Amino acid sequence: NAGVTQTPKFQVLKTGQSMTLQCAQDMNHEYMSWYRQDPGMGLRLIHYSVGAGITDQGEVPNGYNVSRSTTEDFPLRLLSAAPSQTSVYFCASSRDTALNTEAFFGQGTRLTVV
Amino acid sequence: AQSVTQPDIHITVSEGASLELRCNYSYGATPYLFWYVQSPGQGLQLLLKYFSGDTLVQGIKGFEAEFKRSQSSFNLRKPSVHWSDAAEYFCAVDSGGGADGLTFGKGTHLIIQP
Repeated sequence: NAGVTQTPKFQVLKTGQSMTLQCAQDMNHEYMSWYRQDPGMGLRLIHYSVGAGITDQGEVPNGYNVSRSTTEDFPLRLLSAAPSQTSVYFCASSRDTALNTEAFFGQGTRLTVV
Repeated sequence: AQSVTQPDIHITVSEGASLELRCNYSYGATPYLFWYVQSPGQGLQLLLKYFSGDTLVQGIKGFEAEFKRSQSSFNLRKPSVHWSDAAEYFCAVDSGGGADGLTFGKGTHLIIQP
């Protein structure tokens, strides 16, 4: 039972570098999303996707891009990393957007931008 | 806009004692409410959820929560905590649109004393 898999688990970037956080799910879920978790802030939604080819912005989208070319994968791209993007990033998926479906979370990617 | 408040940043409880974690929400209509638990270095796991019906909901690991519309609250309870319950607990609300993701509280860090 792989569920939601995020890679890498840890990453250190220099300011201005780019990278992609990977997220894959094997549950054939339509809905996927990215959150960032900061101390004392809870989780905040960055971007989400309701299906392949469809993405939309969440609460804190600036500095991040996403794409959804397949149902399984939902990568998050940082085009030019900034120290403010130091955070723990969680990917989540659910069967659909209906409210009675459970969201499954990956184990997170801890990103430090120096 | 919807919001979630968890008034207690940290709570310390002795092993075997009862537990109540507070959650208050702000939303105009009937909310859809969730409690998640995050163990150190892990992703989030759903404990329980409320959509409608019986206002006392049972979850996993012996947790329960009660929805009180008059108090805009959804407090999490457990009659007797175990050392393995030490974790971060998040209350979350969904506005009903589903696709907009969950709005999380800032979390309550639970410490278990032996």
